[in-house]
Order: sequence, then C-alpha cells, then structure tokens
Amino acid sequence: QKEVEQNSGPLSVPEGAIASLNCTYSDRGSQSFFWYRQYSGKSPELIMSIYSNGDKEDGRFTAQLNKASQYVSLLIRDSQPSDSATYLCAVNFRGYGGSNYKLTFGKGTLLTVNP
Amino acid sequence: ETGVTQTPRHLVMGMTNKKSLKCEQHLGHNAMYWYKQSAKKPLELMFVYNFKEQTENNSVPSRFSPECPNSSHLFLHLHTLQPEDSALYLCASSQDERGGDPYEQYFGPGTRLTVT
Repeated sequence: QKEVEQNSGPLSVPEGAIASLNCTYSDRGSQSFFWYRQYSGKSPELIMSIYSNGDKEDGRFTAQLNKASQYVSLLIRDSQPSDSATYLCAVNFRGYGGSNYKLTFGKGTLLTVNP
Repeated sequence: ETGVTQTPRHLVMGMTNKKSLKCEQHLGHNAMYWYKQSAKKPLELMFVYNFKEQTENNSVPSRFSPECPNSSHLFLHLHTLQPEDSALYLCASSQDERGGDPYEQYFGPGTRLTVT
C-alpha cells in the first residue's frame, strides 16, 4: 500500500515566523512531489512542485526534497494569517498500468498563523 | 480561480435519485480526474481519464459511473447513492505525462454532495 504521511497538526505559529510542514512517503520509486493549500470549504490549490533532490524556492515558499530519506517538506517564511489553511502533500505512484500514474495525497496538516 | 469548472456546486439528492456532476477544463490538458474528499480522510482518487487511456479505480462502487466524451469534459453519473457517499467531489486536470513524470494537477471548485 503506497502511503503519504503528514502530521495532522494543528501547527500553530506566530505571524512572521517560519512554518515547517513535513511529509514522508513509502515508495522509493516516486519521482514527483506536490504541495497543495486548501482553505476551509475550498478546493486544493497547487502551490509548489518539486522533482529533484534539494531546495526549490518560490517567493515565501521553499520545498525541500530528500529522496534517500523519502522526505519532502514545505517551509513558509514570514507566515501571515492568510496562510492559515490545510496543506496537502501529494506524491506520484506509478500505477494502473500503461502511461497513467496515481497521485496519492496525505491527510494534510492544518496550519494556523496567529496575528 | 483555476481553469477547471464544476457544476453544480451543491447537490442534495435522495438515495433513489439519478444525477450527474459535470466538469470542464479550459487549460488544454488531456488528462482528467475525479476525486472524493470526505471529512477526516485524505483525497481519494476515483477515476482517471486521458485521451489515450481510460483507467478506473477498482474500489469505486458501480453506483458511480464516469464519462469522458472528450479531453475537456468529464461527467460523474450518480445513481442509488448511500448516505456515506456524501462528500466533496473534486475534478482535476493535468497535461498527460511525458517521460514518466506527471505534470501538476489543477482542481475545480468541487461539488458538495449530500445524500439523504
């Protein structure tokens, strides 16, 4: 069973701090990793994708990937109250045969940024 | 707002009803997906379609029936649902994978389904 694990939280940080969200996955063959943000009552919104080991930065967001440790993280610098949401980690697992693949999601981490 | 639309946004149906959910993507993608999101559970992939290949999640009950007439439209036909089928149903689309690396999936706003 392919799995993606996240700490469900809630993770609470003060405004301006760095929020660190973590995710581990079970399939060593996974190649693609994604972070989605989901506000309450809304659909997931893609915020980062990462394919290679190391760091990838986009504005206040940094994704970090370590394939040897099967670990991917998301750092949010200068956290704002508007960052309060559930953050979903998604990992591709080859499946279904042929050229298709399966994107498996973790349960998500609820982040609360306190003013 | 993403380029994936879903209708209706909210649906209440009885267990004997038949209804359909519609999804349309305006991103030029050629793969589309149905997901189910229940409270306290991770997103569950239900069906995958792309213009080359159709796949189906074997654990999805037959009371859910997908239809993909072209690469821009996706339907989910519902009949004789159960109360436990109440959930947020999300459609997503992506570019077909190239070289084994899947592209990002973009989600529509979802249909909130309540089965009474």
